[in-house]
Amino acid sequence: GQNIDQPTEMTATEGAIVQINCTYQTSGFNGLFWYQQHAGEAPTFLSYNVLDGLEEKGRFSSFLSRSKGYSYLLLKELQMKDSASYLCAVTDSNYQLIWGAGTKLIIKP
Amino acid sequence: GAVVSQHPSRVICKSGTSVKIECRSLDFQATTMFWYRQFPKQSLMLMATSNEGSKATYEQGVEKDKFLINHASLTLSTLTVTSAHPEDSSFYICSASGTSGGPAVELEQFFGPGTRLTVL
Repeated sequence: GQNIDQPTEMTATEGAIVQINCTYQTSGFNGLFWYQQHAGEAPTFLSYNVLDGLEEKGRFSSFLSRSKGYSYLLLKELQMKDSASYLCAVTDSNYQLIWGAGTKLIIKP
Repeated sequence: GAVVSQHPSRVICKSGTSVKIECRSLDFQATTMFWYRQFPKQSLMLMATSNEGSKATYEQGVEKDKFLINHASLTLSTLTVTSAHPEDSSFYICSASGTSGGPAVELEQFFGPGTRLTVL
């Protein structure tokens, strides 16, 4: 079956760095997305990786290793507004988006 | 970036009534639209995928006669929850993909703001 695993919840301190991991087993691979979702709101796009390596975009970076079925989202200089759920999603060989359950990130002052 | 609107944002209705939710892509042609449902503290659950001009493809366990989807144009899809019951209360989110010019072009999904449905 197809599976996306990510931690349920993480806690970090304002100003610090946090890494949210995602592992996947899917039938084929056509890219991995990270989305941010604040409570009661729809997800918003953060990053897209289809090749191995690190993609940096401001305070957020996303890494992909296709051979390991692994990705992480790195958030630097954490701000209180970064408190949200972070969703990992993989596009399989049929271009269907398979969603992880999301990681709830709690930022403490 | 691509913008998707959803209307209404919030609806409260009595059990047994039908509710229609609209999803519009405002600045691009959405060849494919997706409808998700999200219960509190859970991840997105894909309900159905629709391509403009053709019948929607429903996920296993989703009743197509209860959740009617129409994708009549490249900018509009509607979800009608027929004879809604309290267990249908949820956050319904649509997303659209197409030739948006975004980083993943046709793979990226752009999400509407969601509709919170409460059935009394």
